[in-house]
Amino acid sequence: GESVGLHLPTLSVQEGDNSIINCAYSNSASDYFIWYKQESGKGPQFIIDIRSNMDKRQGQRVTVLLNKTVKHLSLQIAATQPGDSAVYFCAGEGSARQLTFGSGTQLTVLP
Amino acid sequence: SQTIHQWPATLVQPVGSPLSLECTVEGTSNPNLYWYRQAAGRGLQLLFYSVGIGQISSEVPQNLSASRPQDRQFILSSKKLLLSDSGFYLCAWSVSGRDYNEQFFGPGTRLTVL
Repeated sequence: GESVGLHLPTLSVQEGDNSIINCAYSNSASDYFIWYKQESGKGPQFIIDIRSNMDKRQGQRVTVLLNKTVKHLSLQIAATQPGDSAVYFCAGEGSARQLTFGSGTQLTVLP
Repeated sequence: SQTIHQWPATLVQPVGSPLSLECTVEGTSNPNLYWYRQAAGRGLQLLFYSVGIGQISSEVPQNLSASRPQDRQFILSSKKLLLSDSGFYLCAWSVSGRDYNEQFFGPGTRLTVL
């Protein structure tokens, strides 16, 4: 079956540094990916998405990179701020038109 | 703009009691609707999804059921709760008919079964 996972359960970065959160997936048929941010006790919030016909997409302070060859995507957050502290999930959509979520990376921003 | 509501926000129920969680969406028509469960420190597990009124698909065998009595209302139920039903329940919606399935989540319901 298809799976989406994350490389590290936790990540700590200094305020102002860049953060890189990684995700791997197994289903080569996945053609759409989303990154979500979830703050404690709240529902996930959409951050950025990318389709499989793209390698890179940029938003405000965030960039998602997709490497279909090794089935890997990453979320880069520039100039990480305290408000970026949260759990970050990647999700992939496959042929079943459903999203499969990874287990999440807890990002902690250190002062 | 579209909004999604869930209630209650928190719930503590004894084992064996019934459950009813409600989710409503505003500002859109004929959305796809989803129920997820999130265990502590874990990812999201899809429980049910619906593409229309009365149309429910179940992803995992379980003690729960779902219903969609109206276009923008999605209800998660149980006749008898188990301890293992504790978790954070999230409702989500997406635009039907689109090529890509960006989902928007509600605020969630924290359920504790004692």
